[in-house]
Amino acid sequence: EVQLVQSGAEVKKPGESLKISCKASGYSFTTYWIGWARQMPGKGLEWMGLIYPGDSDTRYSPSFQGQVSISADKSSDTAYLQWSSLKASDTAVYYCARLLSTGTGGFDPWGQGTLVTVSS
Amino acid sequence: QSALTQPASVSGSPGQSITISCTGTSSDVGTYNTVSWYQQHPGKAPKLIIYAGTKRPSGVSDRFSGSKSGNTASLTISGLQTEDEADYYCCSSATTTVKFGGGTILTVL
Repeated sequence: EVQLVQSGAEVKKPGESLKISCKASGYSFTTYWIGWARQMPGKGLEWMGLIYPGDSDTRYSPSFQGQVSISADKSSDTAYLQWSSLKASDTAVYYCARLLSTGTGGFDPWGQGTLVTVSS
Repeated sequence: QSALTQPASVSGSPGQSITISCTGTSSDVGTYNTVSWYQQHPGKAPKLIIYAGTKRPSGVSDRFSGSKSGNTASLTISGLQTEDEADYYCCSSATTTVKFGGGTILTVL
């Protein structure tokens, strides 16, 4: 079964750093793009960026360029989303998802989501 | 980079059909056949229901169908059921540039 399992909920203070994870199983991790999306409380989905674990080619949405860092570890089939200095406005649920192909589009499956709460 | 445009809400009665539109531009929806649609129930992760504009993943009901005309993609749900009540998002992935729509709340009356 193709599956993405994300790390658990986090509670952080403004200014702290954070790295959340997305572990893949059931398919060849290095041959599919993985994307990250943000969903702020009561709001819609926002695309943050994509990474191709095979060569770590990474693309960021202009809205998130410089705000987060996306990486992948082929040895553990895990993708990461990282902040160096969190803000209260980073409070949201973050999802990872596998892109079926650039020729068809479609993200499937999705991870279960990681709730990040940033509060002083 | 503007999001795709969806109606904020639509509603229908059980058994009826509804259509949700998703308007982009000639740089995304109008050029690429990579529109996908997602269903999201409260507190759950999104679920892929349409990809490549018209294709259904295995296990998705054939009551869900996708289409496109010009810069606008559409999702049609026929034979509405109460469990279809959810948020629906369109997405365009023009190669590796991705945009989501703002989402549409479907209410089944």
